[in-house]
Amino acid sequence: EVQLVESGGGLVQPGGSLGLSCVASGFTLSSHWMSWVRQAPGKGLEWVANIKKDGSEKDYVDSVRGRFTISRDNAKNSLYLQMNSLRAEDTAVYYCTRGVGYCSGAFCYNYFDTWGQGTLVTVSS
Amino acid sequence: SYELTQPPSVSVSPGQTARITCSGDALPKKHAYWYQQKSGQAPVLVIYEDNKRPSGIPGRFSGSSSGTMATLTISGAQVEDEGDYYCYSTDSRGTRGLFGGGTKLTVL
Repeated sequence: EVQLVESGGGLVQPGGSLGLSCVASGFTLSSHWMSWVRQAPGKGLEWVANIKKDGSEKDYVDSVRGRFTISRDNAKNSLYLQMNSLRAEDTAVYYCTRGVGYCSGAFCYNYFDTWGQGTLVTVSS
Repeated sequence: SYELTQPPSVSVSPGQTARITCSGDALPKKHAYWYQQKSGQAPVLVIYEDNKRPSGIPGRFSGSSSGTMATLTISGAQVEDEGDYYCYSTDSRGTRGLFGGGTKLTVL
């Protein structure tokens, strides 16, 4: 069974740091792009960051660029998100997602076919 | 900047057809994907590449795309289909993602 399990969420003060982890099972992590998606309380989904299969390419939503770092350890079947300089607006459930990447015509795509259960990050004093 | 726009809510009676739209200037060139999120649960992929249905998703779910609009259609909506639905697409390189604002579907 394909499964993603996040951990590391919790309460942190504004300006603080927190690291999230996601352990994958039931598939070969190195065969997939991986991503983090978040959802603020009562709000919609927001894509946060992507990382290529081998970790050589990463991208971020503008609001977290320079503060968050996505990484992976394929040997440990794990995905990570290091969050620094946290703000109240970063409060959200963070989902680890498995990507399906492909190219069609002139465009490439990466969408999410599997999601973890999410871990809650609360930034508050 | 690129945006995907959805209606905030759609309401139908059980057995009726529900249509949820997603508009975006790049959609004529880009595939759209649809996610269903029920209360307190993680999202689930219900349509990919505009009109393909993952295994395990009921046949009443279908997708289409024309011009700047993608549409998720639920034919014969059931009470269990209630939830939030999000469209999704990517930039041209597929490295940056974007969700629509979400549509709350009520079936009653």
